[in-house]
Amino acid sequence: GVTQSPTHLIKTRGQQVTLRCSSQSGHNTVSWYQQALGQGPQFIFQYYREEENGRGNFPPRFSGLQFPNDSSELNVNALELDDSALYLCASSLGGASTEAFFGQGTRLTVV
Amino acid sequence: SQQGEEDPQALSIQEGENATMNCSYKTSINNLQWYRQNSGRGLVHLILIRSNEREKHSGRLRVTLDTSKKSSSLLITASRAADTASYFCATDDPGGYQKVTFGTGTKLQVIP
Repeated sequence: GVTQSPTHLIKTRGQQVTLRCSSQSGHNTVSWYQQALGQGPQFIFQYYREEENGRGNFPPRFSGLQFPNDSSELNVNALELDDSALYLCASSLGGASTEAFFGQGTRLTVV
Repeated sequence: SQQGEEDPQALSIQEGENATMNCSYKTSINNLQWYRQNSGRGLVHLILIRSNEREKHSGRLRVTLDTSKKSSSLLITASRAADTASYFCATDDPGGYQKVTFGTGTKLQVIP
């Protein structure tokens, strides 16, 4: 399955954070989502074979990396209070109509 | 921004009853998916319906899609307490990459 670490994290405003995701074996596409309390997940960006393949409406301080070993990272610089949310990664085989498998998420709290 | 909107926002039913949730979306799609989320944790994929399909079944789930009305419905039959969760519809981006845009969700409570 898809695993994310850590499960919970508390950071101070202005700090930087790195969230990690291990994709399902063989999946070449990973997407990251931000889910604020009571809302649906919002698309941050997608990586396909280690290249950014699309981006949602998030500022450049949200960045990512995808590695050849089925792992990926989401980095957020200069944290703001509004960045407090559940961050979800999802892996898939890619293509227009394929199922995405989600991790359990990382709950980030910015104080 | 949210592409889809689920209706109702919250639904409370007795165990054994059927639950119906609706989703409306704004732009053309290749497919629509339904996901379940328990207690703000990871999402579980339930079913995918393609734009050229009108109805799909999976166990106690029945999904319909009306592309002319840009709407879909999820029916859960003979609900169980374990079905208590938030349900989201998600549409793909026909623009070329596999961006999935989620709706606002329906919070379902099944009372034992």
